[in-house]
Amino acid sequence: AQTVTQSQPEMSVQEAETVTLSCTYDTSESDYYLFWYKQPPSRQMILVIRQEAYKQQNATENRFSVNFQKAAKSFSLKISDSQLGDAAMYFCAIKNSGYALNFGKGTSLLVTP
Amino acid sequence: DADVTQTPRNRITKTGKRIMLECSQTKGHDRMYWYRQDPGLGLRLIYYSFDVKDINKGEISDGYSVSRQAQAKFSLSLESAIPNQTALYFCATSESIGFTDTQYFGPGTRLTVL
Repeated sequence: AQTVTQSQPEMSVQEAETVTLSCTYDTSESDYYLFWYKQPPSRQMILVIRQEAYKQQNATENRFSVNFQKAAKSFSLKISDSQLGDAAMYFCAIKNSGYALNFGKGTSLLVTP
Repeated sequence: DADVTQTPRNRITKTGKRIMLECSQTKGHDRMYWYRQDPGLGLRLIYYSFDVKDINKGEISDGYSVSRQAQAKFSLSLESAIPNQTALYFCATSESIGFTDTQYFGPGTRLTVL
């Protein structure tokens, strides 16, 4: 079984600052993928970033980067130069060789001017 | 145009009614999924389909059925809706390349059962 834990129900960041969202997971598999999805008020689920577990290098997408610590089963998301449009729910998810994504319960990010 | 569309976007219905939610995609993906989102619970898988002839139950399939009419269309039905099926429903698609399988979501359907 796989579980995903997001221990921060809510986070707040000022515009232009950096924020880190935490995610820990548990899986018995050695090969898996980790994802961060963003859900703005429009409720659309938008893929932010993806990390392959076999890659040691942390994934980066523009202002979004991850800190992947495989031994610790940790997968945090760092948002740099935060913008008002980054305000959303952020979900961490894991997928192994099976069929489905397992999601955490989400972190609500508030961005203040 | 959006790659994954869902209709309707919002629906209010009464207990006992039959409801169908539809999903269409232009991404050319072979895999399609239905998820349900409840407040504080994240998304949970209802059904998934790897091709037209392959349909499988997910974590919470009781009370739901699906139909894969074509590669691009995947419908979710509630045969007799009940209030605890009030939720946000998402369709997703993915391409079967290795098991990378990044899933792309539709805009969601908000269903309210009175």
